[in-house]
Amino acid sequence: KNEVEQSPQNLTAQEGEFITINCSYSVGISALHWLQQHPGGGIVSLFMLSSGKKKHGRLIATINIQEKHSSLHITASHPRDSAVYICAGTGNQFYFGTGTSLTVIP
Amino acid sequence: EAGVAQSPRYKIIEKRQSVAFWCNPISGHATLYWYQQILGQGPKLLIQFQNNGVVDDSQLPKDRFSAERLKGVDSTLKIQPAKLEDSAVYLCASSALEGTNEKLFFGSGTQLSVL
Repeated sequence: KNEVEQSPQNLTAQEGEFITINCSYSVGISALHWLQQHPGGGIVSLFMLSSGKKKHGRLIATINIQEKHSSLHITASHPRDSAVYICAGTGNQFYFGTGTSLTVIP
Repeated sequence: EAGVAQSPRYKIIEKRQSVAFWCNPISGHATLYWYQQILGQGPKLLIQFQNNGVVDDSQLPKDRFSAERLKGVDSTLKIQPAKLEDSAVYLCASSALEGTNEKLFFGSGTQLSVL
């Protein structure tokens, strides 16, 4: 069983749509990271959360500690948002989800 | 601020050959990670260093993989001999504490193709 589970695995959206990617994690994870990986590119850390909500531009990340669940939202999606979004939990080490491949169509 | 530097960017080798990857973390970052990312999967931790000491290498295939960080700064990861299933992106990351949380910074990775 993975410590971090992500959904959906693949997501296609029309430009302008509101997007949500979900992440569930297990006991022992104290902080949750959202990472972005563009095709052929490196991985960029978007957010690190241990409680509440964070916002950066059109990206919003929330975490519910009681339910062990986090979401990444993208408002007014754009084709340049097309990337793989990875959820990672910090416990004794980093536990990575398998990623969500997002394609935003113009 | 300079990021995590990795080289080479791409490497193509034949099976049974040897290969080495290099990583220079962000200055001052004590923790350094090597990850293997196979296409379509999330990164898998190979080894974690704290300064020049190994913290976790439980998932490193030690019969063929080795890594070192002799001076606690840059690091090398070696595969000898390579197998077809080693084809992947090898990512190096370093981390820093922001308050009580650890933030990861990734290099751009080395894409290895084993033919």
